[in-house]
Amino acid sequence: DTEVTQTPKHLVMGMTNKKSLKCEQHMGHRAMYWYKQKAKKPPELMFVYSYEKLSINESVPSRFSPECPNSSLLNLHLHALQPEDSALYLCASSPLGGSYEQYFGPGTRLTVT
Amino acid sequence: KNEVEQSPQNLTAQEGEFITINCSYSVGISALHWLQQHPGGGIVSLFMLSSGKKKHGRLIATINIQEKHSSLHITASHPRDSAVYICAVRRRETSGSRLTFGEGTQLTVNP
Repeated sequence: DTEVTQTPKHLVMGMTNKKSLKCEQHMGHRAMYWYKQKAKKPPELMFVYSYEKLSINESVPSRFSPECPNSSLLNLHLHALQPEDSALYLCASSPLGGSYEQYFGPGTRLTVT
Repeated sequence: KNEVEQSPQNLTAQEGEFITINCSYSVGISALHWLQQHPGGGIVSLFMLSSGKKKHGRLIATINIQEKHSSLHITASHPRDSAVYICAVRRRETSGSRLTFGEGTQLTVNP
C-alpha cells in the first residue's frame, strides 16, 4: 500500500465553525507533513511530525492545530478560520532516513465563507 | 531570487512533441525531486535524483550537480501529460526531508 489518503475531499466552513482534516498512511512512514497550497503556487510547509512528535511548525497561526494520534494518522483541527485560509491542504508522508521521498495525498479543498 | 528556479513558467505543445522543463538551484542539495500535479490536486512524485539520469516510460530526468541544474524531458507528449510540473530540492544542510519548491511549470499538450 503506497497510498496517502485524505478526508474530506472538499470542505466548506464558516468562520465560526470547528472542523478537522484527516490523513492516513500505512506505509510505515514515521514522518508526516501538512502543506497549504494556494492557486498557482507551490505547496507551503505548515507542520512536520517525526515519530509522532511535532518537529517543525512554520509559524502557523494557532487557528490551525495539528495532531498525530499514532504513526498512521495525522489530523489538522481548524477553528475560527479566515477566508484567506481557503486553499488546498495536502498531507504527505516519508520515511525518516534513507531516501526521505515524500508521498502526497490527494488534498482537501477548503473554502472558508 | 528564489533558491529554486524553473523555466518556462508556461509551456504549450502539440501532441507528439518532445518537451523539456528546466530547474536551476542555488544551494547545496542532497536530492532533487520532480513532482507532477494535475488539476484538482494530488501531487505525484515522478523522480528523485542525486546524480546522473533516470528514465521511467516516456519521462527522463537528468541532473548536473556541478552546474546545479536539472531537466525533465517528456518524449512523444500526450494530452494526459498536461499538468503542473514542480521541481523541489532537499537542501544538504537542513534536517531530514524538508523540501524547497520551485514555482512550477504549467504544461498544456494539445491534441
